[in-house]
Amino acid sequence: DGGITQSPKYLFRKEGQNVTLSCEQNLNHDAMYWYRQDPGQGLRLIYYSQIVNDFQKGDIAEGYSVSREKKESFPLTVTSAQKNPTAFYLCASSITDGAYEQYFGPGTRLTVT
Amino acid sequence: RKEVEQDPGPFNVPEGATVAFNCTYSNSASQSFFWYRQDCRKEPKLLMSVYSSGNEDGRFTAQLNRASQYISLLIRDSKLSDSATYLCVVSRSSASKIIFGSGTRLSIRP
Repeated sequence: DGGITQSPKYLFRKEGQNVTLSCEQNLNHDAMYWYRQDPGQGLRLIYYSQIVNDFQKGDIAEGYSVSREKKESFPLTVTSAQKNPTAFYLCASSITDGAYEQYFGPGTRLTVT
Repeated sequence: RKEVEQDPGPFNVPEGATVAFNCTYSNSASQSFFWYRQDCRKEPKLLMSVYSSGNEDGRFTAQLNRASQYISLLIRDSKLSDSATYLCVVSRSSASKIIFGSGTRLSIRP
């Protein structure tokens, strides 16, 4: 079955710790994205990558970092510099740029206390 | 003003009713349009793409009005399982220019 997996589903961390969220896809998509969703809000773009070893900042990249060493994988690190990291994090992929529909993973719900 | 705006709802309608909601966008350079459905605490899932000529998929019809810069979603014969949040997505064909609306909550009552 082709799809996107994210792990873990729920993650709890203490303030001041960095945490890495996993995202893997086997859809052979070139583009991958990370979004953040807060209660009652739309999705906001954190980072995106259109090709291996290249990625760009989205609207709210501060306090986050990513890597794209393999086509299938696009992990997101939430650093201690992120002021309000508690949120629902969604990874998505698409064939190429934004002209095409995106497919989402099940998300990781991060709680930082 | 937000680049993509949706009425947050909630829309509360009886089963079997027809319901419609709009999404307005401000940038005339927008090129691709989509409706996604998001269930509570789940990921968004593509419901349908929106084409210039309009398109229909079963009970769902999507329309695009470029002159007035809005897209619409019509749901006929609504089912309890249609209860969800519907997200409007507008894209300018660049990964950094995909804008999600905040969503319209729909609740279908028996």
